[in-house]
Amino acid sequence: GAGVSQTPSNKVTEKGKYVELRCDPISGHTALYWYRQSLGQGPEFLIYFQGTGAADDSGLPNDRFFAVRPEGSVSTLKIQRTERGDSAVYLCASSSSGTGNQPQHFGDGTRLSIL
Amino acid sequence: GQQVMQIPQYQHVQEGEDFTTYCNSSTTLSNIQWYKQRPGGHPVFLIQLVKSGEVKKQKRLTFQFGEAKKNSSLHITATQTTDVGTYFCAGHFGNEKLTFGTGTRLTIIP
Repeated sequence: GAGVSQTPSNKVTEKGKYVELRCDPISGHTALYWYRQSLGQGPEFLIYFQGTGAADDSGLPNDRFFAVRPEGSVSTLKIQRTERGDSAVYLCASSSSGTGNQPQHFGDGTRLSIL
Repeated sequence: GQQVMQIPQYQHVQEGEDFTTYCNSSTTLSNIQWYKQRPGGHPVFLIQLVKSGEVKKQKRLTFQFGEAKKNSSLHITATQTTDVGTYFCAGHFGNEKLTFGTGTRLTIIP
């Protein structure tokens, strides 16, 4: 079956612009996670959705970052007024539940470059 | 915040040699998961350990969870070129978010 799909795979934009990153999780997975991974580092948690609601958004670095999952499936991570420090690979993962004991299935990520 | 540390950061081994990476937390973990990320790829789930002192094996890979549930290790016997990648441990502190370790990057010298 299809895995987690993320689009675009690469995004290059200028500082100050707005970007949207999309994640399509595995069908039927209720939990969805966004991570940010910088070169040579482990994935850094940003936000977790259980269904349509954000169950934990403690990892969002500031109010320029926002994410939605309006129908409990596809999610969009939105970054306003992008800065060069936002450059990273943004990973999305989904799991069958959010109880903390399920494997997370990752997409290939979106490589975001802010010029 | 709570952190999970891994050592070593890098490991270069001759093909056929063994490899071990260690994961440590200052506080007790509810469980620990291990992921492998190939160069240019995304993390792929390998295994989850839940019980104190638990040991699990997958072919040449052996995973251990410490008695105090604060540390874990991954040991690979007789490495092969297909083992190349970065190995991450990731732990849950209670029901909180999954916290990834810093990773150990394994390279194999053929």
